[in-house]
This record gives sequence, C-alpha cells and structure tokens, in this order.
Amino acid sequence: AQSVTQPDIHITVSEGASLELRCNYSYGATPYLFWYVQSPGQGLQLLLKYFSGDTLVQGIKGFEAEFKRSQSSFNLRKPSVHWSDAAEYFCAVGDSNYQLIWGAGTKLIIKP
Amino acid sequence: NAGVTQTPKFQVLKTGQSMTLQCAQDMNHEYMSWYRQDPGMGLRLIHYSVGAGITDQGEVPNGYNVSRSTTEDFPLRLLSAAPSQTSVYFCASSFTTGINEKLFFGSGTQLSVL
Repeated sequence: AQSVTQPDIHITVSEGASLELRCNYSYGATPYLFWYVQSPGQGLQLLLKYFSGDTLVQGIKGFEAEFKRSQSSFNLRKPSVHWSDAAEYFCAVGDSNYQLIWGAGTKLIIKP
Repeated sequence: NAGVTQTPKFQVLKTGQSMTLQCAQDMNHEYMSWYRQDPGMGLRLIHYSVGAGITDQGEVPNGYNVSRSTTEDFPLRLLSAAPSQTSVYFCASSFTTGINEKLFFGSGTQLSVL
C-alpha cells in the first residue's frame, strides 16, 4: 500500500539558515509528489509538485524539492529561511485512485 | 474571489447531536472533498465528489454523510456526533479530478464533541 513518511515531527532552524525537510514515500509506479504548507489557522497551500521530467522542482516562496527515485525521497529545501516560513509542511503522494496519501507533517520553528 | 469558504470556524457539540459543516467554492471546480486532520496524522479523506450529483467514500467515511446538489456546495453532515469525531475538518476543491490538479483548501472547521 502507498504511504508517506515524514520522519521529523518538529524542526527548529535559525532565521537565515538553510532548511531541508525529509519525505519518504512507498509507491510501486512513478509517483506524483506534492508539498503543501499550512500556516497557523489556515488551510493548506500547494508549494510545488513533481510528476515527471527534471527531478529538481522549483516552487513558490523560494522552495525547491528533489525527487530521488533510488532513495524513494522527495525532500523539500530552502537556502535561507525567513520568520514567515514558520508553518507545518505536508508531503503527499498521489495514489492509483487519484487520491492523495498524506504524511503526518513537519512543524517548522524559526529561531530569531 | 473568495475561493473555498468553510463555515463555521469553530463548533462544540454534545455526543449524539447532529450538525452540518458547510463548504462552498466559487471557482467552478468539479472536484470537492472533505478531510479530517488529527494530531500526529496526515490528512485523511472522508468523502469526495467529482461533480454535482456524484459522491464517493474516502478512507474514513463512517459517521459522515455528504451530498452535492450544486457545483458550488458540498456540505458534510455528522449524523450523531461522537467524541472520536473531534478534529479539524478541511474542505478542498480542484478544477478537475486529475491527480496533477492543485487542491484549494478552506481555512478549516475546528470541531469538539463532548
């Protein structure tokens, strides 16, 4: 069965430092992969998605993610975080029924 | 452009009460869905609809009912609320049902069942 694992429940990063959030998936075929962000008290917003082609995907707000088939990973990165990036980040994979399977989320805390 | 609108934002129910969570979108989206979000878990799909008059069950449908009489509205009904239904509920929509479609989310309804 398809699944998504986000190993880190919380991550704390200093403002201006680089960020990497981990996402591992289990899926038999070529996956459709997504990262969404949830700001406090808000719904989720799409950051970026991968379907095929270039394995390095650029998204909004300066985020990027790299698909690594050999590692079944789709990690999210940002070179320099801002206080406004504090939020919860969700990785998701599209399954064979065209529905999304979601990870449990990683809460990003920014230290001033 | 309102996007996806959910009401109410907060609700407290007693066990056994019924209520309807409202969801409306003004983007002429075919696909609408309801998720619940619980601490330490990803979003779980309750019900979804691929168009007016068509609904289907998701991963956790028990205790919930939906209907889609118009393209714009997709209400979620709790028939007899239970404490296990305490959660944050999100409505989401997309233009079509394709897996590559971007989902647009409402801001959520925080429900407590006592």
